[in-house]
Amino acid sequence: EVQLVESGGGLVQPGRSLRLSCAASGFTFDDYAMHWVRQVPGKGLEWVSSISRNSGSIGYADSVKGRFTISRDIAKNSLYLQMNSLRAEDTALYYCTRSTMQWLLLIEHWGQGTLVTVSS
Amino acid sequence: EIVLTQSPGTLSLSPAERATLSCRASQSVNSRSLAWYQQKPGQAPRVLIYGASSRATGIPDRFSGSGSGTDFTLTISRLEPEDFAVYYCQQYDSSPLTFGGGTKVEIK
Repeated sequence: EVQLVESGGGLVQPGRSLRLSCAASGFTFDDYAMHWVRQVPGKGLEWVSSISRNSGSIGYADSVKGRFTISRDIAKNSLYLQMNSLRAEDTALYYCTRSTMQWLLLIEHWGQGTLVTVSS
Repeated sequence: EIVLTQSPGTLSLSPAERATLSCRASQSVNSRSLAWYQQKPGQAPRVLIYGASSRATGIPDRFSGSGSGTDFTLTISRLEPEDFAVYYCQQYDSSPLTFGGGTKVEIK
């Protein structure tokens, strides 16, 4: 069974940093592209960042470019999102997601999310 | 970037009624690379439809998808109580992947 378990969320002041982690299990981690998607409570879904199987291709939404860094550790079956210079508008539930093997941008599995609240 | 516009924003229907949800793309979505997700309160989204019309594993056949190019439709033939939720379309034709704003299907 595919499992994606996020951690690292919490309350943080504007301008500070936070690192999200996602522990993956139930599949061969380095066979799939991975993505972070966020959702402001009660609002829609917003793609944040993507990383290819071998970390050779990485992308970011314009809203986080230059502030967030995605990475993965194959040995630990883990995905990360380093978030710097956080803003109030980054407040959201952050989902770790996995693509399908055939279509790299089609999201097949979602974690339950970790809530990030940016507030003074 | 492909912008997806969903309509209506809210659909108020009764159980057993038919629901028709629309997703319009700002440019053609090649290879029908469009998916539909269902999200219930407090839960992560789950994929219902991919390839515009293929049902994901375990999805009941009352859910069907159609369309191509820039216009896509999700149809729920007869609403069950568990189908009242928010539905999102997503294109995976080109980077960045993008989502529509969602359609809430609520009980009338």
